[in-house]
Amino acid sequence: EIVMTQSPATLSVSPGESVTLSCRASQTIYSNLAWYQQKPGQAPRLLISGASIRATGIPARFSGFGSGTEFTLTISSLQSEDFAVYYCQQYNDWPRGFGPGTKVDIK
Amino acid sequence: EVQLMQSGAEMKKPGESLRISCKGSGYTFTTHWIGWVRQMPGKGLECIGIIFPGDSDIRYSPSFQGQVTISADDSTDTVYLQWNSLKASDTAIYYCARHRMQYNDDSSFDTWGQGTLVTVSS
Repeated sequence: EIVMTQSPATLSVSPGESVTLSCRASQTIYSNLAWYQQKPGQAPRLLISGASIRATGIPARFSGFGSGTEFTLTISSLQSEDFAVYYCQQYNDWPRGFGPGTKVDIK
Repeated sequence: EVQLMQSGAEMKKPGESLRISCKGSGYTFTTHWIGWVRQMPGKGLECIGIIFPGDSDIRYSPSFQGQVTISADDSTDTVYLQWNSLKASDTAIYYCARHRMQYNDDSSFDTWGQGTLVTVSS
């Protein structure tokens, strides 16, 4: 089973700053990685699939990078609506696995 | 607009049975895998399993195999998640979510239901 890890667990950031979140797979998943955003009381929302392809309607300030086992999600110039928990998920192998999440909160 | 509409919150006792539902609309229901995802209180996301409504092919995550049953009814564009005997540890929000790619069982989830809160308590 592929294990997904994310770092850091929490990131405190000021609006307007840029952040980079990391996600690592325990074995190669090629580019079969998605990023989701979840706000309190809401369902997750797909941001990125294929490691770097933004989903429909996702602003260009969200960018994904990586392949194999190491991946990053960068949010440029954080807006107030970007404070949330971010999860990565591999869909290369069964069972599908999510990372434990990175919470981005306001400094 | 592609939508997944889930059934409402449930409060049950340990040992009781339950079936929750997820109805798709705005797309051809039989062409996309749909998954169920659990989120326990204050915790992260866990994939329970996926089903292809076109032929009811199902994959369960090992942690959930034998604990729940996933099914689909393509005459009503609905998928279900069922428990025969609930435990307190089944208390969670359950989301259904659609695979982004048609027919492909290797895909991200692009559309999510609003979630169904299941509370199991004596």
